[in-house]
Amino acid sequence: EPEVTQTPSHQVTQMGQEVILRCVPISNHLYFYWYRQILGQKVEFLVSFYNNEISEKSEIFDDQFSVERPDGSNFTLKIRSTKLEDSAMYFCASSERGALEQFFGPGTRLTVL
Amino acid sequence: RKEVEQDPGPFNVPEGATVAFNCTYSNSASQSFFWYRQDCRKEPKLLMSVYSSGNEDGRFTAQLNRASQYISLLIRDSKLSDSATYLCVVNNQGGKLIFGQGTELSVKP
Repeated sequence: EPEVTQTPSHQVTQMGQEVILRCVPISNHLYFYWYRQILGQKVEFLVSFYNNEISEKSEIFDDQFSVERPDGSNFTLKIRSTKLEDSAMYFCASSERGALEQFFGPGTRLTVL
Repeated sequence: RKEVEQDPGPFNVPEGATVAFNCTYSNSASQSFFWYRQDCRKEPKLLMSVYSSGNEDGRFTAQLNRASQYISLLIRDSKLSDSATYLCVVNNQGGKLIFGQGTELSVKP
């Protein structure tokens, strides 16, 4: 069964450093998403991406965040200068169409020290 | 009012019990509705979509009442493996999913 994959599974970084989280969505899916979940809190939407551009972003997704689809398979989330409060689980998801079910990757646990 | 609100839980039930989860959503223009389950420190996994006519998948039954903006999930004959957090999820427009806080279920032998 096709699945979304994410690397790394755990990333530890120093405050102020840049991190890139990587995702490989399901191959025939056209819509890609990033969500995050701070420990003990609910899953929050960050950004959606379709046709090589951002279709929607949340208030959390400020200028420190960017997304890219550098080739036909990868989808990345970059945080330019990490803050302590960026520590969270980051989930990538994909769907065939915008309103359909989304399938989530296993997540990257980001720890900012 | 929260966009998606769920029973706070946790629910502790014996094996074989029937358990019901309730959820309300605030945006009447919401388009799609789902139940996901999340095991500790894992990703949300789609359990089922929820349709206006109601739908069933084995021991799981989901209902949607658009007039009341209410979604439910019923689990019959609960198993130990059903222990997880159940997430009520709404898609308003486009792809953005809005998650409830989740209701934790613990099924005991």
